[in-house]
Amino acid sequence: QKEVEQDPGPLSVPEGAIVSLNCTYSNSAFQYFMWYRQYSRKGPELLMYTYSSGNKEDGRFTAQVDKSSKYISLFIRDSQPSDSATYLCAMSAGPGAGSYQLTFGKGTKLSVIP
Amino acid sequence: DAMVIQNPRYQVTQFGKPVTLSCSQTLNHNVMYWYQQKSSQAPKLLFHYYDKDFNNEADTPDNFQSRRPNTSFCFLDIRSPGLGDAAMYLCATSRVAGRYEQYFGPGTRLTVT
Repeated sequence: QKEVEQDPGPLSVPEGAIVSLNCTYSNSAFQYFMWYRQYSRKGPELLMYTYSSGNKEDGRFTAQVDKSSKYISLFIRDSQPSDSATYLCAMSAGPGAGSYQLTFGKGTKLSVIP
Repeated sequence: DAMVIQNPRYQVTQFGKPVTLSCSQTLNHNVMYWYQQKSSQAPKLLFHYYDKDFNNEADTPDNFQSRRPNTSFCFLDIRSPGLGDAAMYLCATSRVAGRYEQYFGPGTRLTVT
């Protein structure tokens, strides 16, 4: 079993739809959870950062972490064509050995159709 | 704006010809990373520096080397590029403690002919 599982898609939705992106993980030591957006041929851009369980909202984006289920989600409300990109989840165990390493999912490719 | 800058954005080199990619940052972060990303794959960590302390991933080929002459700059040297080294190379930075998110540069796309 891979440490982080993420459905690669592609996921295609109409403009204005609510998008749900998800990752599951197996390492219970992960405490720091991130979502990155990566446009084609560009570097990943940090979208959301969450520590431990709970929800975090930033504009049209909401990140959820359920540590008991080892499951994280990113919701995009009122999706726009400009949201079309690959979304990567990433996570870290924090202080201790390997704390500077992020473990990434493979990314989900999202297309928002006008 | 504070940022991570990579040069060049696109690099073409010949099989076996050494190439150097550069990264600079204005975030004043202690930790700098080099990743390799191939098409439709997650970034793969090659190595990272915590200040001047170099940390190599176990499966990073010897063909890849890195230098960090000061806090702001970091270089990736590929001594003898093979066709399999064609990829996007990403530089990233992070703070030492408190938060563990990484900030990425735009990447250098390397083509090997």
